[in-house]
Amino acid sequence: SQQGEEDPQALSIQEGENATMNCSYKTSINNLQWYRQNSGRGLVHLILIRSNEREKHSGRLRVTLDTSKKSSSLLITASRAADTASYFCATEAPPGNTGKLIFGQGTTLQVKP
Amino acid sequence: DADVTQTPRNRITKTGKRIMLECSQTKGHDRMYWYRQDPGLGLRLIYYSFDVKDINKGEISDGYSVSRQAQAKFSLSLESAIPNQTALYFCATGAGTLSGANVLTFGAGSRLTVL
Repeated sequence: SQQGEEDPQALSIQEGENATMNCSYKTSINNLQWYRQNSGRGLVHLILIRSNEREKHSGRLRVTLDTSKKSSSLLITASRAADTASYFCATEAPPGNTGKLIFGQGTTLQVKP
Repeated sequence: DADVTQTPRNRITKTGKRIMLECSQTKGHDRMYWYRQDPGLGLRLIYYSFDVKDINKGEISDGYSVSRQAQAKFSLSLESAIPNQTALYFCATGAGTLSGANVLTFGAGSRLTVL
């Protein structure tokens, strides 16, 4: 079964608006990662947050992690048409060195020019 | 050249045929993975390997087998393809760290259609 569940499944916004995607998971984790996939292409790593971190920033991306609620959110600020893609969360369970990532179903983001 | 190369990129085959999807990498990573992507189901792990002698089943290994021919090569085989194996298949590599932060690098995908 999938570890992560993402919400919403699809999101459509105007360029310049912020986009927020949420991920919930079921078991303890070592870290949580977000990946981006352009249509039909391979996934690209965006950002990683460790279980002992609560917030992380990278450019226009902000990720939060609440281990008590087993949830994470990805915020993309000032969105651009080029941000149109699917976004996936992935969790790596402890012990941390198993290297096995379990992915959620993804959120499809459309940014309209 | 891409860090992770998958061949073929597209393949149409018939039920019962044997199919091999190949993956090679220039990242120098020890860890390699095969995932399958279906619409609405995200990515599901088929097999993963931590080195040439270490191969592990993932969530959905039934109907699949793998071979780690070298550190840089990891192939996925469907011994007798069936239509519900129609999907987009991804190979990925990971360096891993002692702290467990294993970031994956993905290939471009192999789209398989089984008629």
